[in-house]
Amino acid sequence: QSALTQPASVSGSPGQSITISCTGTSSDVGSYNLVSWYIQHSGKAPKLMMYEVYKRPSGVSNRFSGSKSGDSASLTISGLQAEDEGNYYCCSYAGRNTYVFGGGTKLTVL
Amino acid sequence: EVQLVESGGGLVKPGGSLRLSCVASGFTFSNAWMSWVRQAPGKGLEWVGRIKSNVDGGTTDYAAPVKGRFSISRDDSENKLYLQMSSLKTEDTAVYYCTTDPDSSPYYAFDYWGQGTLVTVSS
Repeated sequence: QSALTQPASVSGSPGQSITISCTGTSSDVGSYNLVSWYIQHSGKAPKLMMYEVYKRPSGVSNRFSGSKSGDSASLTISGLQAEDEGNYYCCSYAGRNTYVFGGGTKLTVL
Repeated sequence: EVQLVESGGGLVKPGGSLRLSCVASGFTFSNAWMSWVRQAPGKGLEWVGRIKSNVDGGTTDYAAPVKGRFSISRDDSENKLYLQMSSLKTEDTAVYYCTTDPDSSPYYAFDYWGQGTLVTVSS
């Protein structure tokens, strides 16, 4: 099972919007609406930011939104804030009781 | 408050074995499916495997790179999750996180994570 493909880095200025892509295959992202997104700050454990493609857990800002088309999913952050900076990972159910994560995207708020 | 605390990491030689533990609190551990996720230094996250609750059969599933070498078990009487690692390779060097499994989450995602424990495989 290969890791999902994410851009290594994205950046944006405060107030702007950015989108992080997550590309998988027809065996994972393309087959299941079970894509989740996590943010990880340096030296910390990941934190869930989005689940089932577009749903936000309690406490996550509505500046975060998710979508999926075909074998790719996306996380969009609007109204960028300094606190949004960190490493973002997507994850998908991959069938046969397995999961696959993306390689991670470093978001820099300029 | 849900808490997951891992321990047992350290330095081990290639071919060696190590057992990680995770003690859980703040939820009904015996009903929970649990997973392990690892992160090699400077790299992304990688799902390692999971164990169902004993009520649901207690069976396990593993990622291909660790299948046959790693074994996940649980002790519900002590709210503990274990990861037994054997035939360790240098590429198993990573921080290992204990997490609640998506099948036990209202979000169908990895919603609770421990702080991680570092395993270094080196001669």
